[in-house]
Amino acid sequence: NAGVMQNPRHLVRRRGQEARLRCSPMKGHSHVYWYRQLPEEGLKFMVYLQKENIIDESGMPKERFSAEFPKEGPSILRIQQVVRGDSAAYFCASSLTPGSDGTEAFFGQGTRLTVV
Amino acid sequence: KNEVEQSPQNLTAQEGEFITINCSYSVGISALHWLQQHPGGGIVSLFMLSSGKKKHGRLIATINIQEKHSSLHITASHPRDSAVYICAAEEVKSGGSNYKLTFGKGTLLTVNP
Repeated sequence: NAGVMQNPRHLVRRRGQEARLRCSPMKGHSHVYWYRQLPEEGLKFMVYLQKENIIDESGMPKERFSAEFPKEGPSILRIQQVVRGDSAAYFCASSLTPGSDGTEAFFGQGTRLTVV
Repeated sequence: KNEVEQSPQNLTAQEGEFITINCSYSVGISALHWLQQHPGGGIVSLFMLSSGKKKHGRLIATINIQEKHSSLHITASHPRDSAVYICAAEEVKSGGSNYKLTFGKGTLLTVNP
């Protein structure tokens, strides 16, 4: 059972381009979470998705950022018209259930986005 | 808004030493997470605890809910323990996910041979 898979591991985009980050959760996990780690800052929650639903996107910037988790395929974090300030490591995690019942979340290796 | 503070920010130890990393938070929580991140690497969940103490190998995590404080201890530290250790607070749920976490900035641990 492979862990949470994120790709690409490294992504370089020019200002104004689009960035697409993919996250395949662990097998059987239907809850996906995205976090952003800016240079020299801590991780910050962005969005929580279940299959075909966005449950909580309160941490997502209102413009240029979107996320989806379709019925089939990986979860996608999409950043349109990237700017230098979007350069960061983006991590996703998945879990079997969302509850505080001891369910562990498993994190991916992250995608390191560099905007030049 | 919950504030999560970790100390120290940086910690250097000799192999074999006992390590303690502290984490304090400002509002009531339902659980506290400890994570490990190797430089340039992914994140590994070490512990999730809401009370008392948990142990896994040489790692021990404790939490004091009344004092809003948690500690991560590493016994008989080893160079392979060198990493960033991050604590994250999970606020009391109101129908949302437990992974809307507030993270500390991390403690960079370097264990020298």
